[in-house]
Amino acid sequence: GENVEQHPSTLSVQEGDSAVIKCTYSDSASNYFPWYKQELGKGPQLIIDIRSNVGEKKDQRIAVTLNKTAKHFSLHITETQPEDSAVYFCAASGRDSNYQLIWGAGTKLIIKP
Amino acid sequence: DAGVTQSPTHLIKTRGQHVTLRCSPISGHKSVSWYQQVLGQGPQFIFQYYEKEERGRGNFPDRFSARQFPNYSSELNVNALLLGDSALYLCASSLWTAYGYTFGSGTRLTVV
Repeated sequence: GENVEQHPSTLSVQEGDSAVIKCTYSDSASNYFPWYKQELGKGPQLIIDIRSNVGEKKDQRIAVTLNKTAKHFSLHITETQPEDSAVYFCAASGRDSNYQLIWGAGTKLIIKP
Repeated sequence: DAGVTQSPTHLIKTRGQHVTLRCSPISGHKSVSWYQQVLGQGPQFIFQYYEKEERGRGNFPDRFSARQFPNYSSELNVNALLLGDSALYLCASSLWTAYGYTFGSGTRLTVV
């Protein structure tokens, strides 16, 4: 079945700098790759997603890139702000997982003032 | 519009007891999924329901069951609770079964 690995587990960046979180997946049939942000005591919030027919997607300070050949996708946050501090999860789904989300282990992003 | 609502927000149960968790999806969403999130880990898929039918089941024991009602709300039931069932239980709703999941804030279950 699908397996998603996420790195790093913790990322500390200076406010205003960029942050990059990377994920790899194992199932080449996966075709949907969302990113979620989870703040303490809350459920995951969808921040951006990408489908396998697209290589890159941007939404203001957030972008996701997908490399289907290498089976990895990345989240890029530019001009980081204190409110970006949270745990970020990547996930993958597709036909072989019956379209259920398979999640990475999460990255704790710390924005230093 | 209201988001996905879950109740209760917190719950403490004793080993061996039964628990029922409830979820109301976003209006118009016909699919509800349940996930278990243990502290420090990503969520693990438990069930998905679409139009009141089970569409998927994760690798959880038969002590876990769920159902979806005609108004698309859902219940997750766990019997014979174990200490290891302590977790945040998340409900997600979507229009269809494959994309665009919106999560509730979860129910924090503690088994003592």
